Amino acid sequence: EIVMTQSPATLSVSPGERATLSCRASQSVSSNLAWYQQKPGQAPRVLIYGASTRATGIPARFSGSGSGTEFTLTISSLQSEDFAVYYCQQYDDWPPEKAFGQGTKVEIK
Amino acid sequence: QVTLRESGPALVKPTQTLTLTCTFSGFSLTTTGMCVTWVRQPTGKALEWLALIDWDDDKYYSTSLKTRLTVSRDTSKNQVVLTLTNLDPVDTATYFCARSVAAPGMYYFDYWGQGARVTVSS
Repeated sequence: EIVMTQSPATLSVSPGERATLSCRASQSVSSNLAWYQQKPGQAPRVLIYGASTRATGIPARFSGSGSGTEFTLTISSLQSEDFAVYYCQQYDDWPPEKAFGQGTKVEIK
Repeated sequence: QVTLRESGPALVKPTQTLTLTCTFSGFSLTTTGMCVTWVRQPTGKALEWLALIDWDDDKYYSTSLKTRLTVSRDTSKNQVVLTLTNLDPVDTATYFCARSVAAPGMYYFDYWGQGARVTVSS
């Protein structure tokens, strides 16, 4: 099974600054990786799929990169509404057991 | 417009069986490629994939929970039902259903329900 590892667990960032989140797969998942944002009390929302394609309605300040085993989600200039938990999910392995990483919490510095 | 909504009991006793229903609209689970997945999340913890049912009525389960999980569908009602037997307090979580499309590059979860909070306690 593929194991997803996210780092750091918590990222403290000031509004307007850049945030860089990492996700590593235990084996190659090609570009079959999605990023989700989850705010308290809400369901996850897909931000990025295919490692780098923004989902419909997602602002351009969110960008994804990487392939194989190393992936990055970058938020270019953090807005107040971006403070949340972010999860990566691989979908190269089907069914997607153990698909999600442990999450990175982006908090206000 | 695709929507999903989970429903079920908020409180269940240990050893009992949990039955959750995901009612969806905006797509048909008989359309090739459509899948509905269940994911749960204990408070403050990560997302855990539980089970999936697809357009062909194929079913997949978490290895660690497969002896306790059953997923089924009622295509006439646009519903997917998840049952989890022999509940324990560690099963306390918010349970989400989500849609995915089984097509190259598209297996991610594009629509989610709002979640159903389930507490297991005597």
